[in-house]
Amino acid sequence: SSELTQDPAVSVALGQTVRITCQGDSLRSYSASWYQQKPGQAPVLVIYDRNKRPSGIPDRFSGSNSGNTASLTITGAQAEDEADYYCNSRDSSGKHVVFGGGTKLTVL
Amino acid sequence: EVQLVESGGVVVQPGGSLRLSCAASGFTFDDYSMHWVRQAPGKGLEWVSVISRDGGRTYYADSVKGRFTISRDNRKNSLDLQMNSLRSEDTALYYCAKEGSSGWPTFDSWGQGTLVTVSS
Repeated sequence: SSELTQDPAVSVALGQTVRITCQGDSLRSYSASWYQQKPGQAPVLVIYDRNKRPSGIPDRFSGSNSGNTASLTITGAQAEDEADYYCNSRDSSGKHVVFGGGTKLTVL
Repeated sequence: EVQLVESGGVVVQPGGSLRLSCAASGFTFDDYSMHWVRQAPGKGLEWVSVISRDGGRTYYADSVKGRFTISRDNRKNSLDLQMNSLRSEDTALYYCAKEGSSGWPTFDSWGQGTLVTVSS
């Protein structure tokens, strides 16, 4: 099965824009979803099908995809956005799910 | 409101067996594939297994294939994970997750997890 690679940690100043990326060969065939996880809580879906937001997710969250890279962008990061962010997709076989290693976002 | 409630997590010795369950409510259970995802302490998310809507197709991560079995009872709105030959590396918080309306691997609802500790 293929892998998805994320930067382990990213920081952003309050109110600024940050992009979190996810790289993997399977992203050329399958779309990525993004999850936010705060300490002690279950993950929450924030982006799916490249750039769709579930109900209740602020519109400062957006997604994009180019080639083998999926991106999650937070425009105007807030203190409450500080969390771990994970991407996932199917692997190249289409029968397994793969997660990225996660990116710890710090809002300064 | 979608609710997923996992149960069954305990401390078990290496080589032992355990059965996890997930009780689902708030949606039409047999309209969706269901998954198990785990998270070792301080680590990232790891997908474990998926079962199709009718239970006819199942897939597993290589790390658990041949040891774990996923099943569902659509009459009872429940999802199970039978875990055999447990290893220390299976120690994790196990989440039940529902696929999104656009299909998997989008997980639009998660339970709070049940903790499995494999230790002698």
